[in-house]
Amino acid sequence: GAVVSQHPSWVICKSGTSVKIECRSLDFQATTMFWYRQFPKQSLMLMATSNEGSKATYEQGVEKDKFLINHASLTLSTLTVTSAHPEDSSFYICSARDLPAGTDTQYFGPGTRLTVL
Amino acid sequence: AQSVTQLDSQVPVFEEAPVELRCNYSSSVSVYLFWYVQYPNQGLQLLLKYLSGSTLVKGINGFEAEFNKSQTSFHLRKPSVHISDTAEYFCAVSASGGYQKVTFGTGTKLQVIP
Repeated sequence: GAVVSQHPSWVICKSGTSVKIECRSLDFQATTMFWYRQFPKQSLMLMATSNEGSKATYEQGVEKDKFLINHASLTLSTLTVTSAHPEDSSFYICSARDLPAGTDTQYFGPGTRLTVL
Repeated sequence: AQSVTQLDSQVPVFEEAPVELRCNYSSSVSVYLFWYVQYPNQGLQLLLKYLSGSTLVKGINGFEAEFNKSQTSFHLRKPSVHISDTAEYFCAVSASGGYQKVTFGTGTKLQVIP
């Protein structure tokens, strides 16, 4: 099946620094990738939709200047948390759409645990 | 817009017993429905999906779900659970046809008791 990887799997950083998280589709091309945030014991909240070659679409309430998304190729999207603060600590999960004819399924990466000190 | 309700936040069940995880959705248009499983500190894995056709959908790991349009439900079932099924289960919905945003339920923690 379709495989999505994320790197790093976990990261600890100091407040005020920036952190980049990579999301890769390993065996398929993904024109669309999604970034989610998950707080402990809660569901996934969609942050933004990343489209290859164009600007990301952010959900209401998500700061586009704080969460920079780049989808430079059909297999790679990156999320950069700029000037991270402790409240940005969370589990970030990406997914990619695999669109063979007649289906529409998202495949999820393993997630990245971000801890901001 | 679509919404999903998972009424049970936790479901304890003894090993080898059957289980049903409930999911109800709300939508004014046709939908696609999904069940995902999440193990601790991992991403989500697709268990099964309903796009069209037969209302009984079989997925991986012995799970199945039935789409009931009149009751707007998509309950997940397994006839005999194993310890390894202990995880968080998320129901999700999207409007059908082309790219549509997926909305997730709040999740149900399945705890299998040995």
